[in-house]
This record gives sequence, structure tokens and C-alpha cells, in this order.
Amino acid sequence: AQSVTQLDSQVPVFEEAPVELRCNYSSSVSVYLFWYVQYPNQGLQLLLKYLSGSTLVKGINGFEAEFNKSQTSFHLRKPSVHISDTAEYFCAVDSGTYKYIFGTGTRLKVLA
Amino acid sequence: NAGVTQTPKFRVLKTGQSMTLLCAQDMNHEYMYWYRQDPGMGLRLIHYSVGEGTTAKGEVPDGYNVSRLKKQNFLLGLESAAPSQTSVYFCASSRRQDGYTFGSGTRLTVV
Repeated sequence: AQSVTQLDSQVPVFEEAPVELRCNYSSSVSVYLFWYVQYPNQGLQLLLKYLSGSTLVKGINGFEAEFNKSQTSFHLRKPSVHISDTAEYFCAVDSGTYKYIFGTGTRLKVLA
Repeated sequence: NAGVTQTPKFRVLKTGQSMTLLCAQDMNHEYMYWYRQDPGMGLRLIHYSVGEGTTAKGEVPDGYNVSRLKKQNFLLGLESAAPSQTSVYFCASSRRQDGYTFGSGTRLTVV
């Protein structure tokens, strides 16, 4: 069965510092991978997705993620964060069934 | 572009009451989903639909029913609400691997 692990429940980081949010998945088949962002009291918005091809995926708001098949990881990175990036971030995996399995989320807190 | 619209946005129910949450999408998406979001548990799939007239169970279907009589609408019903169903409910729709488009959520409290 598929599963998604986001080991860090909370990540505090200072403004303009780099950040990495970790995501590991388990699946015996090829997968599609997604990162979503949720701002307070809102729904989830798609940040980026990996379907195939280049393992480095660029998304909105300056975020990028790298698919590593051997380590079954899809970590999200941003070289310089802003206060407005404070939100909860969810990693999700789809093994081709069109049903996504979500991680438990990582709360990014950007400090001034 | 409305995208995915959920109604109502907030609701308080007494234990044993029933209600229906409505999800409407205007993107002609085939696939629609209902998730619940609870602190520390991420999003868990309740039911989903791969097309008009079809529904299937997800990870946590007990206590819920769904219907998709029209392609654009996906209804989630609670026949007899329980405090354990206090949660934030999200509807989403998608077309293949484009990624989900989410609604803004319904915050439900069962007392």
C-alpha cells in the first residue's frame, strides 16, 4: 500500500533563509507526486507536480522539488523564504489510481 | 472562474442530526473527491467518483454516503452525525494527473 511520510511537523526558519521540507513515499509502482500549500482557513493550492521527465520540478512562488527514485523522496525547497510563505505544506502521491494519499503536513513558520 | 464551490462553509449539528454537503465544479472534471482534514492526520479520503453516476469508498467511508447524479455535483451526506465527524471537509476535482482543484472547505462541528 502507498504511504507518504512528512517527518517534520513544524519547521521554523528566518526570513530570506533557505528551507527544505522533506517528503518520503512508499509505493511498489511508478508514482506521480505533488506538493500543495494551505494558507490559514483556506483550501489547498497546487504548488508543483512531478509526472515524468526531469527530476527537478519548478513550481509557483519560487518553490522547487526534486524527485529521487532511489531514495523514494520528493523534497520541497526554496532558496529564500518570505513571511508570506508561512503556511502548511502537504506532499501527496498518486500511483495511477487518481486517488491521492496525503502526508500529515508540515507547518512552515517564517520568522522576521 | 468559480472552480470548486462548497456549501455551506460552516455548520453546527447536534448528535444524530443529518445534513448534506454540496460540492459543485465548473471545469468539466471527471473525478471528484471528498476528504476530511483533522489536526495531525493530514487529509483522508472519504469517498470518490470517477464519473457521473459512479461512486466508491475511500479510506474512511463509515458514517457517510455520497451521490453524483450530475457530473458537476458531488454530494456528501451524514445520516446520523456523531462528534467524531467534527472536522473540516474538502471537496476536490481533477482531470487525470493535472492535480486536484480544491474547494475552500466546510467546517463542521457536531455537539
